[in-house]
Amino acid sequence: DGGITQSPKYLFRKEGQNVTLSCEQNLNHDAMYWYRQDPGQGLRLIYYSQIVNDFQKGDIAEGYSVSREKKESFPLTVTSAQKNPTAFYLCASSPSDSVPYNEQFFGPGTRLTVL
Amino acid sequence: RKEVEQDPGPFNVPEGATVAFNCTYSNSASQSFFWYRQDCRKEPKLLMSVYSSGNEDGRFTAQLNRASQYISLLIRDSKLSDSATYLCVVTPGGGNDMRFGAGTRLTVKP
Repeated sequence: DGGITQSPKYLFRKEGQNVTLSCEQNLNHDAMYWYRQDPGQGLRLIYYSQIVNDFQKGDIAEGYSVSREKKESFPLTVTSAQKNPTAFYLCASSPSDSVPYNEQFFGPGTRLTVL
Repeated sequence: RKEVEQDPGPFNVPEGATVAFNCTYSNSASQSFFWYRQDCRKEPKLLMSVYSSGNEDGRFTAQLNRASQYISLLIRDSKLSDSATYLCVVTPGGGNDMRFGAGTRLTVKP
């Protein structure tokens, strides 16, 4: 049963702590993405990766870090440098970043709340 | 000006009604256009791609107007299950660099 999984579904963090959000896909997709969604705003791109061991900053990368050691996995770390980390985080994947019109498939998301 | 703009709504319509949403985009070089649907507290899912010639999928019709830089979504014979937020998505430079609108919320009432 192919798809994208994200864990955990809900995450609470104290200020000043780093936290890592998991994203795994078994769709054999090359490209993976991390978005952030805040109420009343569109999804904003944090980081994306087109191939293993390579990734690029999106529009709001400050305070975040990623790695892409395996094709299936693209974890996102929210560091203490991120000033407003409370948000809904969505991971997505697509077959290839170089092909136009490709649909992006989304995971179920992680809701992060900073206490 | 935002790259992709949508009327946030909410649009409250009775079952069976026809409802239309518009979305404007700022980059005239944009190449790909989509409508995604997002249910409350869930992930977005592709509803339909929008082609230059327009396209229809059952009760849903999408249109693209490049001259005026907007896309539209028409829903006919609304169902209760159509209640959701509809996201307009534009790919400015091709590939998968997607830009999302903030969404239009639709509530279909009995």
